[in-house]
Amino acid sequence: ELKVEQNPLFLSMQEGKNYTIYCNYSTTSDRLYWYRQDPGKSLESLFVLLSNGAVKQEGRLMASLDTKARLSTLHITAAVHDLSATYFCAVDMNRDDKIIFGKGTRLHILP
Amino acid sequence: EAQVTQNPRYLITVTGKKLTVTCSQNMNHEYMSWYRQDPGLGLRQIYYSMNVEVTDKGDVPEGYKVSRKEKRNFPLILESPSPNQTSLYFCASGTGTAYEQYFGPGTRLTVT
Repeated sequence: ELKVEQNPLFLSMQEGKNYTIYCNYSTTSDRLYWYRQDPGKSLESLFVLLSNGAVKQEGRLMASLDTKARLSTLHITAAVHDLSATYFCAVDMNRDDKIIFGKGTRLHILP
Repeated sequence: EAQVTQNPRYLITVTGKKLTVTCSQNMNHEYMSWYRQDPGLGLRQIYYSMNVEVTDKGDVPEGYKVSRKEKRNFPLILESPSPNQTSLYFCASGTGTAYEQYFGPGTRLTVT
């Protein structure tokens, strides 16, 4: 059974600081997704990571994938208040297109 | 405008009364999926569809039905809703190898 674990589940941090959210998954997969959800809103796609070693960056967010370690990270550089949201990672289960989401990391950035 | 639409956005119903939540996308996506979101549990996939007439169970399919008769539509059917199906439901669609998904606005369902 595929399990996806995110750490931490809740993070409060100061503006200007760096931090990393971790996403571990329990079985082979080489497709991993990161989404953002603002309170009361829907989900927005941030990154799609398709291969081992993939790294993608958008603004202050950078995502990477290590399929051998079954680990993805979402790194936040010099956080700003606008990045406050819940971040989800999701994994494609062995390419059969069933998607498993992590429980989400609620990020609160203090101005 | 490229979008995924869901209707209704809010619904309060009673146990056992059949209901359908519609989902439609205008992006010609092959992949469509339904999720439920519950506090502390994240999103859990209910059903997904790779294309017309092709559907498969996700993680929590019990108590739900779907159909995919047209590429653009993927309705979610609750034939006999129960209070444990009270949740926030999202429909999503995607295309290409990666199946990057585009989410609808959500349907908040309350079953009393």
